[in-house]
Amino acid sequence: QKEVEQDPGPLSVPEGAIVSLNCTYSNSAFQYFMWYRQYSRKGPELLMYTYSSGNKEDGRFTAQVDKSSKYISLFIRDSQPSDSATYLCAMSPPSNDYKLSFGAGTTVTVRA
Amino acid sequence: ETGVTQSPTHLIKTRGQQVTLRCSSQSGHNTVSWYQQALGQGPQFIFQYYREEENGRGNFPPRFSGLQFPNYSSELNVNALELDDSALYLCASSFRGQTEAFFGQGTRLTVV
Repeated sequence: QKEVEQDPGPLSVPEGAIVSLNCTYSNSAFQYFMWYRQYSRKGPELLMYTYSSGNKEDGRFTAQVDKSSKYISLFIRDSQPSDSATYLCAMSPPSNDYKLSFGAGTTVTVRA
Repeated sequence: ETGVTQSPTHLIKTRGQQVTLRCSSQSGHNTVSWYQQALGQGPQFIFQYYREEENGRGNFPPRFSGLQFPNYSSELNVNALELDDSALYLCASSFRGQTEAFFGQGTRLTVV
């Protein structure tokens, strides 16, 4: 079993729809949770960063963490064609090495 | 743009050869991590460097080695290249004690 499992997709949604992305994890030591966006042939770009459980909102993006269920989500409201990318969840324990464990990514296409 | 730069952007090598990839970290960041991202997969942690010393290593063989220089830039060296080493190699810089990691655009290595 992988340490981080991510809904594989791909997802195709019409412009303006809400996009829901999810990851589950097995390591209860994870405390830091991140979402990265990766365009084709580019490096990952940090979108959202949360610590422990709870919600965090930034513009059209909302990140949710439920540590009791070992489940994290990213919601994108009013999706735009420019949101078409691969979204990667990543997480890390509160240790000195801060190694990130990633999901495999979900590819999202927003249709105009 | 994150301020993390990697060179070269693309590289083709023959099986058995050696390769060196380079990374300049974002200004103010003192920690560099390297990741390998195979096609369709999430990045996998190779190792991290802090204060010019390896500080944490993932499940990669010793033929993957690295260096960090006093200006916090870094190199990833891979000896005895294998076909399975073909991947996008990502460098991420961060500040010690902060979890957010910022990635470069990656070096795409093809081993033939």
